[in-house]
Amino acid sequence: QSALTQPPSVSGSPGQSVTISCTGTSSDVGSYNRVSWYQQPPGTTPKLMIYEVSNRPSGVPDRFSGSKSGNTASLTISGLQAEDEADYYCSSYTRSSTYVLFGGGTKLTVL
Amino acid sequence: EVQLLESGGGLVQPGGSLRLSCAASGFTLGNYAMTWVRQAPGKGLEWVSDISESGGSTYYADSVKGRFIISRDNSKNTLDLQMNSLRAEDTAVYYCAKSLGGGIYKYYFDSWGQGTLVTVSS
Repeated sequence: QSALTQPPSVSGSPGQSVTISCTGTSSDVGSYNRVSWYQQPPGTTPKLMIYEVSNRPSGVPDRFSGSKSGNTASLTISGLQAEDEADYYCSSYTRSSTYVLFGGGTKLTVL
Repeated sequence: EVQLLESGGGLVQPGGSLRLSCAASGFTLGNYAMTWVRQAPGKGLEWVSDISESGGSTYYADSVKGRFIISRDNSKNTLDLQMNSLRAEDTAVYYCAKSLGGGIYKYYFDSWGQGTLVTVSS
């Protein structure tokens, strides 16, 4: 089972908005709302930012939002801040034998 | 405060074995499914294995199926990963992670350990 497809990199200036896409198939993203997003700043461990497509865990700023259309999920970060610079990974349940898939990761650069 | 502390990583030759452990504190381990996720140097995240709250159900990525065994001891607050027939491509930092909850929430990982590095090389 291939990983979910994410763009390798995105960038934006402070205060702007950026959107990171995550494309899967009808076996995962397209058929289930079990999509999540993780933030991993350099040298740190992953942090859950979004679960069940669009829900934010306690403590995650509302600048972070998630959505899904068809086989593609998206993470939007509005009001970009320097501290948002990190790698972002999407994840989805899959009905294949692999059970859980991650995307390849997207490096967000705040210009 | 939830804390997860992995141990057991190190250098091992191809074909060798290693047992990773994860010590959990700050929550009731038996109430949550637990997961191992790995990250090869400079690469992305890869889900490895998952175990249900009681330990009665286990799941594995195709890449490790038949070689790795996940287990847990809720009375000792520990999660283990027995890794056999190790290959160079198993080289990675291995993280244990706590699920957000039960049911569909077991697919979301809200607490992660610092990770332990496994290097498979001759």
